[in-house]
Amino acid sequence: EAGVAQSPRYKIIEKRQSVAFWCNPISGHATLYWYQQILGQGPKLLIQFQNNGVVDDSQLPKDRFSAERLKGVDSTLKIQPAKLEDSAVYLCASSLDLRGKLFFGSGTQLSVL
Amino acid sequence: TQLLEQSPQFLSIQEGENLTVYCNSSSVFSSLQWYRQEPGEGPVLLVTVVTGGEVKKLKRLTFQFGDARKDSSLHITAAQPGDTGLYLCAGEGNTGGFKTIFGAGTRLFVKA
Repeated sequence: EAGVAQSPRYKIIEKRQSVAFWCNPISGHATLYWYQQILGQGPKLLIQFQNNGVVDDSQLPKDRFSAERLKGVDSTLKIQPAKLEDSAVYLCASSLDLRGKLFFGSGTQLSVL
Repeated sequence: TQLLEQSPQFLSIQEGENLTVYCNSSSVFSSLQWYRQEPGEGPVLLVTVVTGGEVKKLKRLTFQFGDARKDSSLHITAAQPGDTGLYLCAGEGNTGGFKTIFGAGTRLFVKA
C-alpha cells in the first residue's frame, strides 16, 4: 500500500517569497491534516480536512497561509509571503476517518532565509 | 488549552539499559498515542491507549495510561541502537472535535 506522498522534500526560499507544498494521501482516506514541526518541537496542527471540507483551521495563520483540498483527495498548502519563523518541517498526514490512525508523509523541510 | 509535557527532553544511554519517558498533562484525554520519529521522516504510530490504567506491550516497549487519563509513560527494556529516535506522545482532546495535539517529544540516543 502506498503511503502519504509529499513534495518537494526540501525548499529554500527568501523571506517575503511564496512557496507551495503538495500532499497526496493514502487512497480512500477521507481525513487529511497539515502539521508544522519547528525544530525541537512536536507537530502543531495547522488545518484538518474531512473530504474537501475544513474541520479545524484554528491554528492556521490565515493572513499568510492557505490550504485547499478541492476534490477531496490531494491537497496543497501555500505560504505567501514567507517569514523567517516559518522555517520548519511541514508534515501531511491522512486517516480513514476523523478518529482513524494517522499516517504521516516524510514532510517538506522549509528554510526561509 | 490542552498541553502535553514530555520528560526528559533528551536521553542518552548505553545499549542494554532500561529507560522510562513520561507524558503529562493537567487535562483529560479521550485517548493517547505514542509515536516514534526518525530524522527526515514523519512520525510512525506505535500504540494507542484508551482506558485509564491500561497497559500495552509491544516487544520491549511497555506503555501505560494513567488512571485519570491525564498522563502516560513509555518504558523500554534493554534498549538497542535501533530504538534511537524522537518519541512523541499525542492526545485526542475531550473538548469537542477530534483534534490531536502533540507533546514536544523525548529525543533518545542509544549508544552501542
